[in-house]
Amino acid sequence: QKEVEQDPGPLSVPEGAIVSLNCTYSNSAFQYFMWYRQYSRKGPELLMYTYSSGNKEDGRFTAQVDKSSKYISLFIRDSQPSDSATYLCAMSGRMNTGFQKLVFGTGTRLLVSP
Amino acid sequence: EAQVTQNPRYLITVTGKKLTVTCSQNMNHEYMSWYRQDPGLGLRQIYYSMNVEVTDKGDVPEGYKVSRKEKRNFPLILESPSPNQTSLYFCASSLRGYEQYFGPGTRLTVT
Repeated sequence: QKEVEQDPGPLSVPEGAIVSLNCTYSNSAFQYFMWYRQYSRKGPELLMYTYSSGNKEDGRFTAQVDKSSKYISLFIRDSQPSDSATYLCAMSGRMNTGFQKLVFGTGTRLLVSP
Repeated sequence: EAQVTQNPRYLITVTGKKLTVTCSQNMNHEYMSWYRQDPGLGLRQIYYSMNVEVTDKGDVPEGYKVSRKEKRNFPLILESPSPNQTSLYFCASSLRGYEQYFGPGTRLTVT
């Protein structure tokens, strides 16, 4: 079983729709949860990060973390064609060895049509 | 402008010919990492560095070397590249170790 599972998509939605992107994970040591956006032929760009459980909002983007279910989500309101990209979740935590481990999901491709 | 730069952006080489991909950051970050990205496998960490002269292996270190002699630079060295190292490579830096700021990527083809 992978430590982080993410549906590869593609997820196709019309402009203006609410988009829900999700990841599940298995390692309960993860404390930091990140979402990255990657446009074609570009490096991943950090969108948001959250510490532990709860919600965080930034403009049209909301990140949710449910540590009891080991489930994280990214919601995009009023989606725009410019949101078309691959979205990667990532999580990090300090292991028993003291090492800060960081693991990425494989990414979900989102297509927003005008 | 705060950024991570990588060079070269594109590289085609032959099996066994040593190469170096440079990485530099201007944010005074302690942490730097190298990743490779392959279809269906996502981003996998090759090596990371927590400070000058402090490096450690990530998930896929075989066939790669790194060094961190200065805080801003973290080159990736392939001593004897093989075709299975054909991939898209990203360098990243981080202030706290978990949030990563990525460079533009280097597309490497080994024939």
